[in-house]
Amino acid sequence: DAMVIQNPRYQVTQFGKPVTLSCSQTLNHNVMYWYQQKSSQAPKLLFHYYDKDFNNEADTPDNFQSRRPNTSFCFLDIRSPGLGDAAMYLCATSGGQGLYGYTFGSGTRLTVV
Amino acid sequence: GQNIDQPTEMTATEGAIVQINCTYQTSGFNGLFWYQQHAGEAPTFLSYNVLDGLEEKGRFSSFLSRSKGYSYLLLKELQMKDSASYLCAVPFNAGNMLTFGGGTRLMVKP
Repeated sequence: DAMVIQNPRYQVTQFGKPVTLSCSQTLNHNVMYWYQQKSSQAPKLLFHYYDKDFNNEADTPDNFQSRRPNTSFCFLDIRSPGLGDAAMYLCATSGGQGLYGYTFGSGTRLTVV
Repeated sequence: GQNIDQPTEMTATEGAIVQINCTYQTSGFNGLFWYQQHAGEAPTFLSYNVLDGLEEKGRFSSFLSRSKGYSYLLLKELQMKDSASYLCAVPFNAGNMLTFGGGTRLMVKP
C-alpha cells in the first residue's frame, strides 16, 4: 500500500547529541512537511519541501535542519537536542489532489535524556 | 494570518451525540479539515468542507459556515474508540500548508 513511513517510531537521544529522523513515501507526492507536536498541543509546521525547494517557517529554530535527497525521502536533523525538543515529530505529504491528499506518517516520538 | 479556536476538552457518554465546534480566521479560504488523532498516533483524515452546509459520512458529519467562520464536527452513536483528539485545520499559503487548532480531547465514558 502507498504510504508515508517514519523511522524510528520511538527515538531516545542524549542532551546535545545530534539526531536524525527519517521519513519516506511511496505516494510520489511532491510536497513533504515536518511538524512538531508537543503533548496536548497542535502540530506546528517546522518546514516543508515543494519538490526540492526548501521552505523554512520563520520561527523554526536554527537547531533544526532538513534534507530531501530525492522525492521519496526527507530527513529531520536536530543538531543539539535540548529537553524542550522532546515531542512527536510528524512527517506529512501532499500532491496531485492538493491538500485533500495530505497524508501523515505514524510519527516519531523523541525523548531527550 | 490564521487563528483557530476549539474547546480543549469534552466528555460524552457512549451511544450519545457530541458536537465539537471550531471557529477560524484566515486570509483567503481554501476549505476546512477535521482530523482524528488517538494518543501517541498520527492524525487521520476525517472530513474536508469547502462549501457551506452539512456533509455526512456515516456516524461523523461536518458542518461549515463560511460567513461565520465556523465549523463543527458531529459524532453520533458514540463508541469508546471515539475517545481521541479532534483537530480542526485550515490551509494557508495558497493551500499548500495546513495550520491546526489546538485540538479537542474527547473522552467517551460508558
